[in-house]
Amino acid sequence: DAGITQSPRHKVTETGTPVTLRCHQTENHRYMYWYRQDPGHGLRLIHYSYGVKDTDKGEVSDGYSVSRSKTEDFLLTLESATSSQTSVYFCAIRSTGRGNTGELFFGEGSRLTVL
Amino acid sequence: DQQVKQNSPSLSVQEGRISILNCDYTNSMFDYFLWYKKYPAEGPTFLISISSIKDKNEDGRFTVFLNKSAKHLSLHIVPSQPGDSAVYFCAAQARGSARQLTFGSGTQLTVLP
Repeated sequence: DAGITQSPRHKVTETGTPVTLRCHQTENHRYMYWYRQDPGHGLRLIHYSYGVKDTDKGEVSDGYSVSRSKTEDFLLTLESATSSQTSVYFCAIRSTGRGNTGELFFGEGSRLTVL
Repeated sequence: DQQVKQNSPSLSVQEGRISILNCDYTNSMFDYFLWYKKYPAEGPTFLISISSIKDKNEDGRFTVFLNKSAKHLSLHIVPSQPGDSAVYFCAAQARGSARQLTFGSGTQLTVLP
């Protein structure tokens, strides 16, 4: 158990509404990531954070923003949700091993449906 | 263009036999490779990894092989068990500080009793 909690776990919303997903970790990891999983695409990186207030874009960042005001919380915001953002969203943290490698540990996911 | 490719969306294997899952990559900057297993409605869980300085890593029933010249890795599961039925994702990390993972599209493994 990597101490990652995602909320909400399920959400249905309408096109054009804002949505915020929260990722909370209890182990003080520096690196946190948001991925989305879609059929045929595996998991794709949306944004990541390497410290408080330090974030960067991933492969599929359009339409998403993130914030990290505390080490333990990483928020993903859809400013105006679209149907193409219907997906399962996973938060991850990275343990730090030798040589700066390290496995990512994932939360249980947040299923978002945009109608 | 996908940098990590899993060309087999599905694989069925008889219980007790070997399962071989394959993965190809294109980015020469990748130096660390991982396999994740995912059950429905759960997050991916780390299974096994290999550094680019090695060509094999073994952990119990799971062995990962890396062929750098061919930019190919494979996961061998032997013997396969029904509980191994899941989606398996290959992932790779590139040199650099963020060390984010790039994933393949996954292979659904079904182990038949």
